[in-house]
Amino acid sequence: DGGITQSPKYLFRKEGQNVTLSCEQNLNHDAMYWYRQDPGQGLRLIYYSQIVNDFQKGDIAEGYSVSREKKESFPLTVTSAQKNPTAFYLCASSLQGPNTGELFFGEGSRLTVL
Amino acid sequence: KQEVTQIPAALSVPEGENLVLNCSFTDSAIYNLQWFRQDPGKGLTSLLLIQSSQREQTSGRLNASLDKSSGRSTLYIAASQPGDSATYLCALPGGGKLIFGQGTELSVKP
Repeated sequence: DGGITQSPKYLFRKEGQNVTLSCEQNLNHDAMYWYRQDPGQGLRLIYYSQIVNDFQKGDIAEGYSVSREKKESFPLTVTSAQKNPTAFYLCASSLQGPNTGELFFGEGSRLTVL
Repeated sequence: KQEVTQIPAALSVPEGENLVLNCSFTDSAIYNLQWFRQDPGKGLTSLLLIQSSQREQTSGRLNASLDKSSGRSTLYIAASQPGDSATYLCALPGGGKLIFGQGTELSVKP
């Protein structure tokens, strides 16, 4: 089945540790996105990538890093510099940019910092 | 700068009612508008995508309309069911990214 797979679904981290969230898609989409969702704040864009080996910061990129070495993969690393990392993280993809096509989401990864 | 607003934030209706969810946006120069559904603790499921040249899209009991001149989109749900209970979000492109409304949390009571 075509879709977006995020792993792990739940993740616990100690303060000061980096953690990497995986996002894989088999939709042959060029564009991929990472959003963060907090209660009462809606979805906020962390990073996005329109094409392999290229990515741009979103609205809240500080304390996060990404890579896009393969078309189907867009991992997100939450670094120790992120002051409040406990949140629900959502990965999405679209055929081209958001101006042209429908966005599809994965099931999300919930990160809790202990 | 594009801003997206969804009112009300929460809505409770009895089963069987027809209902309308609202989405307002400030910049009418849009490419498309997308409606999503989100169940608690889950990702977003795409419901309907309306291109700027279209006035409405239908899928089953769902009908989404778009009026660019007034900066509004509505999602009509016919004959609501308890399984329709979820948060519904609208989103549209702005500045190379998708801008989301805060969502309307819908509860359909049996």
